[in-house]
Amino acid sequence: NAGVMQNPRHLVRRRGQEARLRCSPMKGHSHVYWYRQLPEEGLKFMVYLQKENIIDESGMPKERFSAEFPKEGPSILRIQQVVRGDSAAYFCASSPNVNDIFGNTIYFGEGSWLTVV
Amino acid sequence: RKEVEQDPGPFNVPEGATVAFNCTYSNSASQSFFWYRQDCRKEPKLLMSVYSSGNEDGRFTAQLNRASQYISLLIRDSKLSDSATYLCVVTHTGGFKTIFGAGTRLFVKA
Repeated sequence: NAGVMQNPRHLVRRRGQEARLRCSPMKGHSHVYWYRQLPEEGLKFMVYLQKENIIDESGMPKERFSAEFPKEGPSILRIQQVVRGDSAAYFCASSPNVNDIFGNTIYFGEGSWLTVV
Repeated sequence: RKEVEQDPGPFNVPEGATVAFNCTYSNSASQSFFWYRQDCRKEPKLLMSVYSSGNEDGRFTAQLNRASQYISLLIRDSKLSDSATYLCVVTHTGGFKTIFGAGTRLFVKA
């Protein structure tokens, strides 16, 4: 019973390169969330997706960041032209059913740690 | 004002102490409430859901006061292994807006 799977766990990119972070939700979960955590700071919501749909992207920076959750395959968080300030832990989470009061409990992956040099 | 606010911490307590964390939320449409625990450089993990009637899990007790929009977590008989950051989490009606508090760091010392 695999949990939320994220890869890569650690990623180093030079300024200006692209970073792609992947997330496979828990089996049976169709809701995916991405959060960013800067060093010594709290979790910041970025985006909420269901299969093929972005439901809420109010936390996504307007430029350089995009997310998708295709019908087949993992969810992808893409950061173009990375800058040093993008260095952070990016956590993916999934939940089974947002219509149940506790079915919307979310479970996290182990995170992808991006370092921009 | 932040939508979910927690005690700033850090809390430094000796082993065996009782410690309480408080959390307030501003959106009255909030539906579900949780406490998560996050260890350094690890992912947050669900500690417990918070039910309207209050609930207990071993040394941990969670309380919810909807009228005051207030949630609490009580840890009794603190262990060294309880050292972590405790996150208050609130979701809105419909479930997809999940808001995390900034977290309260706890250090339990021998």
